[in-house]
Amino acid sequence: KNEVEQSPQNLTAQEGEFITINCSYSVGISALHWLQQHPGGGIVSLFMLSSGKKKHGRLIATINIQEKHSSLHITASHPRDSAVYICAVPDMEYGNKLVFGAGTILRVKS
Amino acid sequence: NAGVTQTPKFQVLKTGQSMTLQCAQDMNHNSMYWYRQDPGMGLRLIYYSASEGTTDKGEVPNGYNVSRLNKREFSLRLESAAPSQTSVYFCASSEILGEQYFGPGTRLTVT
Repeated sequence: KNEVEQSPQNLTAQEGEFITINCSYSVGISALHWLQQHPGGGIVSLFMLSSGKKKHGRLIATINIQEKHSSLHITASHPRDSAVYICAVPDMEYGNKLVFGAGTILRVKS
Repeated sequence: NAGVTQTPKFQVLKTGQSMTLQCAQDMNHNSMYWYRQDPGMGLRLIYYSASEGTTDKGEVPNGYNVSRLNKREFSLRLESAAPSQTSVYFCASSEILGEQYFGPGTRLTVT
């Protein structure tokens, strides 16, 4: 089974700060997912990436396949970015199944 | 496009009662999933359906059954609810090796 570790577990930032959340996994993968969950809310897919970098607004995701590591960056953070950010990778046995990290709880203070 | 819909949004059951959680998607996805989310545990896969007519156990299937009624619908049944099944349940769907799209969740409390 692919093991997924995220860091940090909890992160508090001031509005405007640059934020980085890290994800490491144990077995080579075809693609990695970043998800966002607001308090009491549903889960939204932010990125699915297999190489390099993807950007959407103030969110940037990067992946290093050789290092088995991905980062999610938030530029100019805002209180509305406060959420749980979850990294997920495909299961070794069946790629459509995802193995999820425990999540990073982000709080952005104004 | 409604995406992935789930009913009900909230439910309270007594121990031993049964219920079915309904999920439907309108994106013509082949694969559908049921997860539970507990504090400090992250998302755990209960059952999944790779395509219409097939279902397979995930990480935590005990106490649950599923039915893939057709390509759109995937239901999760608790035959005899237990307090340990108190959780938030999410349904999701995806195309093969694609992004997963999640429903809004069902908050279930078993007393």
